[in-house]
Amino acid sequence: AQSVTQLDSQVPVFEEAPVELRCNYSSSVSVYLFWYVQYPNQGLQLLLKYLSGSTLVKGINGFEAEFNKSQTSFHLRKPSVHISDTAEYFCAVSDRGGSTLGRLYFGRGTQLTVWP
Amino acid sequence: DADVTQTPRNRITKTGKRIMLECSQTKGHDRMYWYRQDPGLGLRLIYYSFDVKDINKGEISDGYSVSRQAQAKFSLSLESAIPNQTALYFCATRPTGPNTEAFFGQGTRLTVV
Repeated sequence: AQSVTQLDSQVPVFEEAPVELRCNYSSSVSVYLFWYVQYPNQGLQLLLKYLSGSTLVKGINGFEAEFNKSQTSFHLRKPSVHISDTAEYFCAVSDRGGSTLGRLYFGRGTQLTVWP
Repeated sequence: DADVTQTPRNRITKTGKRIMLECSQTKGHDRMYWYRQDPGLGLRLIYYSFDVKDINKGEISDGYSVSRQAQAKFSLSLESAIPNQTALYFCATRPTGPNTEAFFGQGTRLTVV
């Protein structure tokens, strides 16, 4: 089974500051990687995903993430955050094959709070 | 209308009662999932189904059961609710393939008293 570690449970930042939300996964096989965002009182929605190719992936709302295979990391970044980015962010992993094909494993989440 | 609809959105029930949470989708996806969200624990998989005849246990299936009534409907039951099942429950659907996006419902907030 996969393990996804989000290293920070809460990240407070001021508006217009840069932010990085960290994610590491444990896997002996190749994986697909996702970041989801959950706004208050809503379900999760996809922010971006890494399937293959360029290790820098761009998503919605100005977010991007970089896949680092050697460090098994997939950190999420935004150069300048807005108050509207306040939400909980989840890193997720999906195996490319094997008995757990089709399962999506989530980290514990990082609450990003943007202050004015 | 939402692509993935969960009912009810909120429910308070008593310990020992049986309760069913329902999920329906209009995405046409074969794969459906039930997750539980607890503060600080993220989303944990309860059950998942790859088609009507294929039901699988997730990480935390004890105390829960599911029914896949049709491609579009996937229900979660708590046979005898207990307080530590108080949580936010999400249904999700996903097209076939490990690289596909999951689509989530709005969630059901369940409180067991």
